[in-house]
Amino acid sequence: DVKVTQSSRYLVKRTGEKVFLECVQDMDHENMFWYRQDPGLGLRLIYFSYDVKMKEKGDIPEGYSVSREKKERFSLILESASTNQTSMYLCASSLWAGPSGNTIYFGEGSWLTVV
Amino acid sequence: AQTVTQSQPEMSVQEAETVTLSCTYDTSENNYYLFWYKQPPSRQMILVIRQEAYKQQNATENRFSVNFQKAAKSFSLKISDSQLGDTAMYFCASLGGSNYKLTFGKGTLLTVNP
Repeated sequence: DVKVTQSSRYLVKRTGEKVFLECVQDMDHENMFWYRQDPGLGLRLIYFSYDVKMKEKGDIPEGYSVSREKKERFSLILESASTNQTSMYLCASSLWAGPSGNTIYFGEGSWLTVV
Repeated sequence: AQTVTQSQPEMSVQEAETVTLSCTYDTSENNYYLFWYKQPPSRQMILVIRQEAYKQQNATENRFSVNFQKAAKSFSLKISDSQLGDTAMYFCASLGGSNYKLTFGKGTLLTVNP
C-alpha cells in the first residue's frame, strides 16, 4: 500500500513564526502536492513538484514556499505564519501522470492553528 | 483551466437505501480523468472510484458506481445499499491529461442514518 506520511497532525504556532510541514511518501512517486482544505472551499492546490528540486505554483501559493531535496520528501514552508493560514494541510503524491491519470494518494493531514 | 462543481453541500440517506451525489465539471482537455474521493471523519482522503473520459462504460466498484455523461459534463456518484461507514465528505475531482493537477469540487457531506 502507498503510504504518505505527514509528520505533524496538529500544530499550534504564533503569528510571525516560520512553520515547516513535512511529508514523506514511500512509493517512489515523482509527483508530490500540497493542498489546503477549508470548509466550504474544498481543496485548493498550493504547490506541486514533479521532480526533485522542481516545483510549480498551484492556485494559492502566496505566503508559502516548498522544498524538495529528495524524491520522497516534500516540505511546505510558511515563512511568517498568519492567522489566515489556519487550516488543514494535505500532502499527496502520485506516479508520473502523463496521459495515464495516475491515482493521487493523500496523507492524513496536518491541522495548523496560527494564534 | 478546469472547474468542478458540486451543488449539494449536504445530503442524508437512510441505511440500506441508494443515494446519488451530483458533480459537473468543465475542462478544455481532450483526455482527462474524473475521480470521487471520500474523506471520513478520520480525515484520510480515500479514492472511491475513477473514470477515464475516453471510456464510455461507467465505472463501478462494488456498491459505488458513476453515471458519466460526457456531453453534459456530468459525473454523478451512486451509492447503493448505503452503510453507516459511508458517512463522509465526498469530493469530485478532475485531472487533465496534460498536467498533474487534481482540481476538486467543494465537497458534499453525506450522512447515513440508522
